[in-house]
Amino acid sequence: NAGVTQTPKFQVLKTGQSMTLQCAQDMNHEYMSWYRQDPGMGLRLIHYSVGAGITDQGEVPNGYNVSRSTTEDFPLRLLSAAPSQTSVYFCASSSTPRTVVRGPYNEQFFGPGTRLTVL
Amino acid sequence: AQSVTQLDSQVPVFEEAPVELRCNYSSSVSVYLFWYVQYPNQGLQLLLKYLSGSTLVKGINGFEAEFNKSQTSFHLRKPSVHISDTAEYFCAVSRSNDYKLSFGAGTTVTVRA
Repeated sequence: NAGVTQTPKFQVLKTGQSMTLQCAQDMNHEYMSWYRQDPGMGLRLIHYSVGAGITDQGEVPNGYNVSRSTTEDFPLRLLSAAPSQTSVYFCASSSTPRTVVRGPYNEQFFGPGTRLTVL
Repeated sequence: AQSVTQLDSQVPVFEEAPVELRCNYSSSVSVYLFWYVQYPNQGLQLLLKYLSGSTLVKGINGFEAEFNKSQTSFHLRKPSVHISDTAEYFCAVSRSNDYKLSFGAGTTVTVRA
């Protein structure tokens, strides 16, 4: 298994450009999420998905769109990049226990990250 | 909503010395607690987690953490560190009925010979 993969590894954009950060997992995980990591702020949740066709906003969703057409892929779109979106982006996935008590106590697996710079 | 405070942003430590990383959380409901490690230029890896049961949790690479409900703390410890433990460590919390993780700001551990 490749686990969670992210492309590209590095990207430089100009303000106003659009792009899509790719995330894929081959573990048949239902739950996938996107975080951004900024110095001194830890990781903050952007968007998440609990299954194909289901997405929801996290803590910092503004400026980002997501979709989940397949179990494997969860792309993150920046429609009009801004310097404030300069960050390292991590995708994560986990299985969801099919029990009454739902929670992320199944380990979240993280991708290697995409370092994005917006000029 | 829950929040996480990591009390030390940087912890320098000598090789073979003990280390403790402090984490406090706030939440009005029961939570799950996690420690993740991020080695330079890599993604995050789970060190250990507390879901229920024994308050002393053992993880990988010789790390352990203790959940203290009255103090709302989940401090991470290792009795003897190695150079390879140099990394950034994140404490995270989720509500027990939720998928979403809230992370602390991170603690950078630098181990020196």
